Amino acid sequence: DGGITQSPKYLFRKEGQNVTLSCEQNLNHDAMYWYRQDPGQGLRLIYYSQIVNDFQKGDIAEGYSVSREKKESFPLTVTSAQKNPTAFYLCASSTRARSNQPQHFGDGTRLSIL
Amino acid sequence: EDQVTQSPEALRLQEGESSSLNCSYTVSGLRGLFWYRQDPGKGPEFLFTLYSAGEEKEKERLKATLTKKESFLHITAPKPEDSATYLCAVHLPSIVGAQKLVFGQGTRLTINP
Repeated sequence: DGGITQSPKYLFRKEGQNVTLSCEQNLNHDAMYWYRQDPGQGLRLIYYSQIVNDFQKGDIAEGYSVSREKKESFPLTVTSAQKNPTAFYLCASSTRARSNQPQHFGDGTRLSIL
Repeated sequence: EDQVTQSPEALRLQEGESSSLNCSYTVSGLRGLFWYRQDPGKGPEFLFTLYSAGEEKEKERLKATLTKKESFLHITAPKPEDSATYLCAVHLPSIVGAQKLVFGQGTRLTINP
């Protein structure tokens, strides 16, 4: 079945540590996205990528970095510069040519501070 | 500033008790509006896309409608398995080749048996 796989499901970060969240899709989608979800708030866009080797900052990119070396993969690194990283992180993808199609989401990674 | 507001924040109903969830928006241009369902600890699951005022979509006990300023998600005779958080997202025409979505904060719906 086609879909988006995020791993790990739970992740703990120590002070001063960088951590990387994995996102893999087999939907053959060109565009991929990272969102952050906090209680009582809407999903907020961190980074997005329209095509391999290209990505753009979203609304809350500070303290995060991404790469897009393969169409299927869009990993997110939460750096030590992100002072409030505790949140639920969601990866999504969508087609590029028909951009009125809905985004499909993975089942998220919950990041906590040790 | 583009804004999407959902109300109520939480809604508790008895099984079979119909109601509506609201999603109001003030945005500079609308390419479409999406409704998603999100279960605890899971990612959002797509329900509907609405493109223009007056449009309606139905799926089982759910019906989504759209006006120029808001969308409603009507739930008829709900069952406990309809309990979830329902998210709406407005699709803005600001990124070529990718989607710019602005999400509401969600409505947490609980259906008691």
